[in-house]
Amino acid sequence: SQTIHQWPATLVQPVGSPLSLECTVEGTSNPNLYWYRQAAGRGLQLLFYSVGIGQISSEVPQNLSASRPQDRQFILSSKKLLLSDSGFYLCAWSVTRGQTGELFFGEGSRLTVL
Amino acid sequence: SQQGEEDPQALSIQEGENATMNCSYKTSINNLQWYRQNSGRGLVHLILIRSNEREKHSGRLRVTLDTSKKSSSLLITASRAADTASYFCATSGNTPLVFGKGTRLSVIA
Repeated sequence: SQTIHQWPATLVQPVGSPLSLECTVEGTSNPNLYWYRQAAGRGLQLLFYSVGIGQISSEVPQNLSASRPQDRQFILSSKKLLLSDSGFYLCAWSVTRGQTGELFFGEGSRLTVL
Repeated sequence: SQQGEEDPQALSIQEGENATMNCSYKTSINNLQWYRQNSGRGLVHLILIRSNEREKHSGRLRVTLDTSKKSSSLLITASRAADTASYFCATSGNTPLVFGKGTRLSVIA
């Protein structure tokens, strides 16, 4: 069966510090991968998605970046965090064929920038 | 934007009652999906309804879709305290899923 792992689960970072959130998927090949952010009491905002290794689409311009160094690995990064980067970050995957669009989410990473 | 918008934003009911949440969207879709999120957790897929379907059932869940009105509803029958969560609709078109802001459901035992 497929599983998705996301870490760290929580982190507190000072403004201006770097960020790296990692997500890996097991049990499937060539998944579509996604990073969403959820601000407190808000809906999900799509940040990045990837349909293959090295292929990243950015939905919202900001100081975050994403990379996909391996088929089932998706990394969210920042060189210098802003207060507004605080939130709940969710990684998700979907199958590339079938086009149902159903997403499978990780358990999330809660980031607090102080 | 094809973003879905859920209504109401918050709903509080007694255990055993039915809960109805609505979703409206703006553009053409391939399908519409409903997800559930427990506090501080990831989202879990509940049900998917395709654009050529009008109603779908899964256990205590009933979803309807009216493409002419660009709206959908999620009905949870005989609610339980464990149904307390946030519920999101998400629309699928030619872009990745776009989520609404969700309905926070509280089921009081």
